[in-house]
Amino acid sequence: DVKVTQSSRYLVKRTGEKVFLECVQDMDHENMFWYRQDPGLGLRLIYFSYDVKMKEKGDIPEGYSVSREKKERFSLILESASTNQTSMYLCASSLRQYLRKYEQYFGPGTRLTVT
Amino acid sequence: GQQVMQIPQYQHVQEGEDFTTYCNSSTTLSNIQWYKQRPGGHPVFLIQLVKSGEVKKQKRLTFQFGEAKKNSSLHITATQTTDVGTYFCALGLIQGAQKLVFGQGTRLTINP
Repeated sequence: DVKVTQSSRYLVKRTGEKVFLECVQDMDHENMFWYRQDPGLGLRLIYFSYDVKMKEKGDIPEGYSVSREKKERFSLILESASTNQTSMYLCASSLRQYLRKYEQYFGPGTRLTVT
Repeated sequence: GQQVMQIPQYQHVQEGEDFTTYCNSSTTLSNIQWYKQRPGGHPVFLIQLVKSGEVKKQKRLTFQFGEAKKNSSLHITATQTTDVGTYFCALGLIQGAQKLVFGQGTRLTINP
């Protein structure tokens, strides 16, 4: 079974703090993703990565950055947290496209509150 | 950008009734996937549809992909309390199918 783990289930930070959310997958997946989930809006893609040191912006990258130094680990960084970044953050991973198996495996999520 | 409409947003049924959620895309898709998220949980992959007009079944769940590959539906026959959760469609685009565009989700609640 694929396992995707996230560093924290709950996190409370203050406005202006730098926040790191970590995600690790153990199935040697090439692709990794960061989403945020808000009521009524579904899952919105923040950033994704097809390979080590490679990243691409998703639909809502403003205020976020990412890092992928190792294949199994994908970090989401909030450079200066703001209250509108209070949300549930979900990490996911998947195999590379040529296998035509696009399903994504999600971690348990981190509920971040910025006060 | 890619437009996706998933309806209804909420559905409440009596146990034993059927349930359907619909997903519509503004463009032709490479594939469509369906995920289920239980209350307090994370999305879990249910199925992937790739071919035009494809129909797949998983026990009481029936998934359809439209002939034009722009819409899909998930139908649950005779709902059970274990079906409670939010169902998301996720669009695999022709350009960059590895990146998914998620629908807003349909939250299903069931009266036992």
